Amino acid sequence: DSGVTQTPKHLITATGQRVTLRCSPRSGDLSVYWYQQSLDQGLQFLIQYYNGEERAKGNILERFSAQQFPDLHSELNLSSLELGDSALYFCASSVYLRLPNTGELFFGEGSRLTVL
Amino acid sequence: EDKVVQSPLSLVVHEGDTVTLNCSYEVTNFRSLLWYKQEKKAPTFLFMLTSSGIEKKSGRLSSILDKKELFSILNITATQTGDSAVYLCAVNQAGTALIFGKGTTLSVSS
Repeated sequence: DSGVTQTPKHLITATGQRVTLRCSPRSGDLSVYWYQQSLDQGLQFLIQYYNGEERAKGNILERFSAQQFPDLHSELNLSSLELGDSALYFCASSVYLRLPNTGELFFGEGSRLTVL
Repeated sequence: EDKVVQSPLSLVVHEGDTVTLNCSYEVTNFRSLLWYKQEKKAPTFLFMLTSSGIEKKSGRLSSILDKKELFSILNITATQTGDSAVYLCAVNQAGTALIFGKGTTLSVSS
């Protein structure tokens, strides 16, 4: 158990809908990262928040947005869903703003999104 | 474009075999290279490498980095069924994020 909690574990929805994925980082961790894992693309970095502020952006679509709240939990909002958004969405946390050389991130168990 | 490429994409071996997984990278502002093991759920950390030529070992697993040729290998000796997983290689790019390869799926049959 990494200490990172993600909900829901599974989600099935229809195209055009909007969903929210939630992540609680490890106790004491200030950074939250969101990753998307699909069969053809592997694990892709979406966005990072540190202590409530957006700090880095990866390949995140404009239909997706995220935020980190004062209690440090984070939410990833996915809207106007398409079939291609079906994937496993991981949250990872770290105590650091910038990854040290160890670069170790602690991953949650993911939220599996299926868009029908 | 920054990229991490792993090979082979999948591998099937028998228990007791030795396997070598490959990871090559072209990433600006390289800080370190990491290996993760993913068994259906969250990736779990295996190794972190920053310097060329220094082998990291943990039991039957070992890994080495070549920063000149921009690649790393992960060796698993005397494989067991419990080694069946997806092995992910990732590069720490300037402390911003980890750039992952697509992974190698290892299946070990008894």
